[in-house]
Amino acid sequence: KAGVTQTPRYLIKTRGQQVTLSCSPISGHRSVSWYQQTPGQGLQFLFEYFSETQRNKGNFPGRFSGRQFSNSRSEMNVSTLELGDSALYLCASSLALGEADTQYFGPGTRLTVL
Amino acid sequence: AQSVTQLDSHVSVSEGTPVLLRCNYSSSYSPSLFWYVQHPNKGLQLLLKYTSAATLVKGINGFEAEFKKSETSFHLTKPSAHMSDAAEYFCVALRGGSQGNLIFGKGTKLSVKP
Repeated sequence: KAGVTQTPRYLIKTRGQQVTLSCSPISGHRSVSWYQQTPGQGLQFLFEYFSETQRNKGNFPGRFSGRQFSNSRSEMNVSTLELGDSALYLCASSLALGEADTQYFGPGTRLTVL
Repeated sequence: AQSVTQLDSHVSVSEGTPVLLRCNYSSSYSPSLFWYVQHPNKGLQLLLKYTSAATLVKGINGFEAEFKKSETSFHLTKPSAHMSDAAEYFCVALRGGSQGNLIFGKGTKLSVKP
């Protein structure tokens, strides 16, 4: 069974631009969560989607948004990029909502904002 | 509020010697706790999890962790380090209630010397 895939793996943008990251969960998994990893703040929860609806949200500004499609694939969007948005963005999938203890993580998308 | 503290940001051991990575948690109730490992340019992989069954939890690759409620600790150990164990390790708590997302420690980077 294929694992969680994230595209692209690396991305370079400039301040003020917007970016969209994609995550394909493991087949059959319906919940997708997003995390931001930075050297200063560590790993922080962004949001969780299930059945095309955002179910949980971390403490991030409204510039960070996401969506989930009917096939459970998810996208994350960051608008008006700031230097501090440079990070590794990790996606994780699980069978159902709230099953954080059985999440499988993708390799991440490394975003660099110049 | 729940929190997780990893007591060492960096641990260095020699190959064949024991590994100890320390983690303390703060919670008003017995939490679900996990250890994840992250190899360079790879996603997070679950090593083991504690969910209030046995206090000594065995994981993959020879790692184990012991939940000690009296000390609010969940330290990760391995009897004999291997070069392939060099990675970053995260102690993680599962947030209670309906949110179901993960709270990560800051991480401990393990170096293994030949």
